[in-house]
Order: sequence, then structure tokens, then C-alpha cells
Amino acid sequence: GQQVMQIPQYQHVQEGEDFTTYCNSSTTLSNIQWYKQRPGGHPVFLIQLVKSGEVKKQKRLTFQFGEAKKNSSLHITATQTTDVGTYFCAGPTGGTSYGKLTFGQGTILTVHP
Amino acid sequence: NAGVTQTPKFQVLKTGQSMTLQCAQDMNHEYMSWYRQDPGMGLRLIHYSVGAGITDQGEVPNGYNVSRSTTEDFPLRLLSAAPSQTSVYFCASSYSIGDQPQHFGDGTRLSIL
Repeated sequence: GQQVMQIPQYQHVQEGEDFTTYCNSSTTLSNIQWYKQRPGGHPVFLIQLVKSGEVKKQKRLTFQFGEAKKNSSLHITATQTTDVGTYFCAGPTGGTSYGKLTFGQGTILTVHP
Repeated sequence: NAGVTQTPKFQVLKTGQSMTLQCAQDMNHEYMSWYRQDPGMGLRLIHYSVGAGITDQGEVPNGYNVSRSTTEDFPLRLLSAAPSQTSVYFCASSYSIGDQPQHFGDGTRLSIL
């Protein structure tokens, strides 16, 4: 079936270092969403990318959608302790443009002060 | 505005017991879904609903039942609890499938002994 794979599974960084997580789909996606889950919390929507090659920024976070709309990345510049959490990508799957939402396994980010 | 409300927040069951996890949303969202979250597995879709009276299976539906009698409520029933169902369960809702942000509840932490 359609899969959304995310790497790395874990990432430990020193505060101030950059961080990147990558998301790859086995099929072309109509859009991709990114979520953040703080420890003990629930996933919270960050952003949605729709267009091929799209780049969006939210302060220190940069999101990219690949040209083929099969991969995406989230880059955090100069991490802070508030960035700690699990970052998920998610894409609609199920055979239609707006089918079920499939989540990647997530990347757990730890930031050491 | 409560958003998505899940009850209970914590529950311990014995193997073979049944129970219902409650989920209610007050945003008039048509689409609701249940996910389970296990370490290293990300969020896996159990069941989803595209509107009152309509439900469908997700990736891991076995052992779970759902119904959607109203737009607001989407309960998840465990028929005969098994230790493999120990997990954190999240309910989510959105205006439509796959192209709108998912709003998550706070989760139910379920342990099956």
C-alpha cells in the first residue's frame, strides 16, 4: 500500500545547531502536512504544502515540497529547547486526491542546552 | 470553544474487558478519525468517518468498532481488550479529508493488563 516514510527516527542536537527531517512517499501526493507533538501532548498542525517545489517559512522553520511531490523536508535553523518534540509529516492516501491521511513515523528531536 | 474532547484521559483494563473511548468535537467538522500511537510506529489510522452515518476502516481496524450517529460524536469501542491494544489513542477532526488541518484531542492513554 501507499507509504509515507520519515527519517531520521531520532535526532539529538545541541542548542543552536540546525535540524532537518525528511519525508518520502511511495506515490505522488496532492499535498503534505506537517505536525509537531510536544512530549506528553497531542499533534498540532504546523503547515500544509500544495504546490510542486513549494517552500514556506515560519520564523526558524523552513518547509519544502519536492518537485515530484513525493518528498518533503522540514528544516529548523538554530534550534532552541522549545523545539523539542516529535515532528510528523502526513499525506493523503487511499486512491483519491483527498483520501485518508497517512502519517510518517515521526522524528523525535531532542535539544541539549 | 472546546475543539476536540476525548474521555477518559487514562484507563486501565483487564484482558477481555470492553470499553468505549469517547470523542466529541464542536467545530461542525464532517471528517473524524481515530489513531493509535505506539513508539516508533507514528500515528496509525484505526477508523474514520466522512460524515454522520458513514464510517470506514483505516490501517489497523481489527478489534475496534466505531459508529457516527451525529456530526459531533465519534466513539471508539474495544470489543474484547487485548494487551496489544495498549497504546495512546487520538481522535481528530477536520472539515474534509486530507486537505485540511487535523485537529487532535488530548488523547486517551490505555493500558491493558
